[in-house]
Amino acid sequence: DTEVTQTPKHLVMGMTNKKSLKCEQHMGHRAMYWYKQKAKKPPELMFVYSYEKLSINESVPSRFSPECPNSSLLNLHLHALQPEDSALYLCASSQEGPDNEQFFGPGTRLTVL
Amino acid sequence: QKEVEQNSGPLSVPEGAIASLNCTYSDRGSQSFFWYRQYSGKSPELIMFIYSNGDKEDGRFTAQLNKASQYVSLLIRDSQPSDSATYLCAVNLVVLDNYGQNFVFGPGTRLSVLP
Repeated sequence: DTEVTQTPKHLVMGMTNKKSLKCEQHMGHRAMYWYKQKAKKPPELMFVYSYEKLSINESVPSRFSPECPNSSLLNLHLHALQPEDSALYLCASSQEGPDNEQFFGPGTRLTVL
Repeated sequence: QKEVEQNSGPLSVPEGAIASLNCTYSDRGSQSFFWYRQYSGKSPELIMFIYSNGDKEDGRFTAQLNKASQYVSLLIRDSQPSDSATYLCAVNLVVLDNYGQNFVFGPGTRLSVLP
């Protein structure tokens, strides 16, 4: 059983919809991450939340908006997505600091029609 | 340019053999290195991490790091069909100013262990 949970498991949305992906970790970690993974490609880092600060990969479009209500929750708000945004969205968490492994949740499979 | 490279495979080995997976990275400032296994349709799961030059063993797995050559490898002994998966090398390239991590993943090597 993973200690990083993500909801929903699957999401289908239209390009005009607004939806949110949710991630919760039960590991006492203080850093959380969102990744995007396309088929047969490696995960790509989108956002990092650590020490109550958010770091953003500058290549991520503004239609993706992260929110961190507390240290164990990380949401990803989606608005006006494009079909090319269809992918597996992975959440991960780690202890703070450079030498700590990240633990991944099961992912949300997103399809944008 | 900061990159992590792996042979995409597929790498096919017979059951019981040693599988050798390789990864090179371009940023000499990289400090920590991780191997993840990912089954099709699932999320990555951590196998091993290594920070210091040399070998690190954990059961059937051995990670090897050579920072001078910017090379990290994973050996899987006594390979089993259940080891068939994509193996991702992750390099923590930069310590962000908020002490988060900047993992960059290699493209992954697909391993197939034949019964």
